[in-house]
Amino acid sequence: KNEVEQSPQNLTAQEGEFITINCSYSVGISALHWLQQHPGGGIVSLFMLSSGKKKHGRLIATINIQEKHSSLHITASHPRDSAVYICAVLTGNQFYFGTGTSLTVIP
Amino acid sequence: DVKVTQSSRYLVKRTGEKVFLECVQDMDHENMFWYRQDPGLGLRLIYFSYDVKMKEKGDIPEGYSVSREKKERFSLILESASTNQTSMYLCASSSSGYGYTFGSGTRLTVV
Repeated sequence: KNEVEQSPQNLTAQEGEFITINCSYSVGISALHWLQQHPGGGIVSLFMLSSGKKKHGRLIATINIQEKHSSLHITASHPRDSAVYICAVLTGNQFYFGTGTSLTVIP
Repeated sequence: DVKVTQSSRYLVKRTGEKVFLECVQDMDHENMFWYRQDPGLGLRLIYFSYDVKMKEKGDIPEGYSVSREKKERFSLILESASTNQTSMYLCASSSSGYGYTFGSGTRLTVV
């Protein structure tokens, strides 16, 4: 049983497309993180959310606490957005991670 | 910028060897974590530490031990490496659950 479920697992998009990655979780959380991992690279935190919506450049993250659901949107996608996106929820002092969404943006 | 530094980017070891993976953070974070990442399984917590000399088992501690003698350094030890421990190992640190920062990872291959 996974506390965090992400969908889709794999996603291929044409450059310029609008992309949505979804995350559902089953535990009570104090915060939710969206992480990005480039091939062969380390992980960086894109957003930390506890409510509402955050925007950074072409990236938008939303969370609905009642529905235990978050989405990461990428507008005007670009090949450099190709990476694995991981949803992680924080409960107490421990994180639970989704298995990640592998995004490939084709020029 | 908060930095979490892992000592090796790539490592190849033989079965049965004792392996040390080192992680150092420079932001005085109380909490440090070791994860392994495998295709289809995502990130899984091996061990974590809330303070110097403290350690707690995560989800998959078997075959691993840890050491935290100083606040900034958290070491993962594979007592006798096995091929099923071939994986990407990621260290992270945080302060009270926020400012969560990952290292760049160590890709360990056990042959």
